[in-house]
Amino acid sequence: DQQVKQNSPSLSVQEGRISILNCDYTNSMFDYFLWYKKYPAEGPTFLISISSIKDKNEDGRFTVFLNKSAKHLSLHIVPSQPGDSAVYFCAALRGTYKYIFGTGTRLKVLA
Amino acid sequence: SQTIHQWPATLVQPVGSPLSLECTVEGTSNPNLYWYRQAAGRGLQLLFYSVGIGQISSEVPQNLSASRPQDRQFILSSKKLLLSDSGFYLCAWSGDKSSYEQYFGPGTRLTVT
Repeated sequence: DQQVKQNSPSLSVQEGRISILNCDYTNSMFDYFLWYKKYPAEGPTFLISISSIKDKNEDGRFTVFLNKSAKHLSLHIVPSQPGDSAVYFCAALRGTYKYIFGTGTRLKVLA
Repeated sequence: SQTIHQWPATLVQPVGSPLSLECTVEGTSNPNLYWYRQAAGRGLQLLFYSVGIGQISSEVPQNLSASRPQDRQFILSSKKLLLSDSGFYLCAWSGDKSSYEQYFGPGTRLTVT
């Protein structure tokens, strides 16, 4: 039972354009959502998060949007840079400790 | 600043052998600690979490176990490895209850042969 889904395994975007990474979830009880970036053979690094009571959070080039009625989360990166090329994971938190991760989307930013 | 260490970085073990992976955190006290596994082509699966010394919660039934003998030390163990235990094991910590951010270690690549 995959409660957090990232249906696009990969995405290619031209440098300078917008990257949009999507995430869908099934459990309306999630309290918090997070996005992580991961390079090969390294641990994920935290990017940005959003509480379930908000619909948008912005931090520099990264913006996360939450559509609770659609149970949909998206990460926008503007403008995309070659250094953004990595695997991006969305995660949902229920309670304080139970994080559920999606399967990841590999983003490739083309120079 | 806080840092998290994991070792070893890579490990090749035969089926049926024991396992011990160690994780330590520096620069913080009373962290929440987590063990995750990433199997090939899969997302991160939460295996264990701990909110204090000796307190372990298991999320997935398996032949792995975890222990927290000290505040900033988290150990993942197995008495007999299976082929299906192969994967990328990640330790993480979180602290501030208002932010919920987790910080991950560099990971251990385990191959069971």
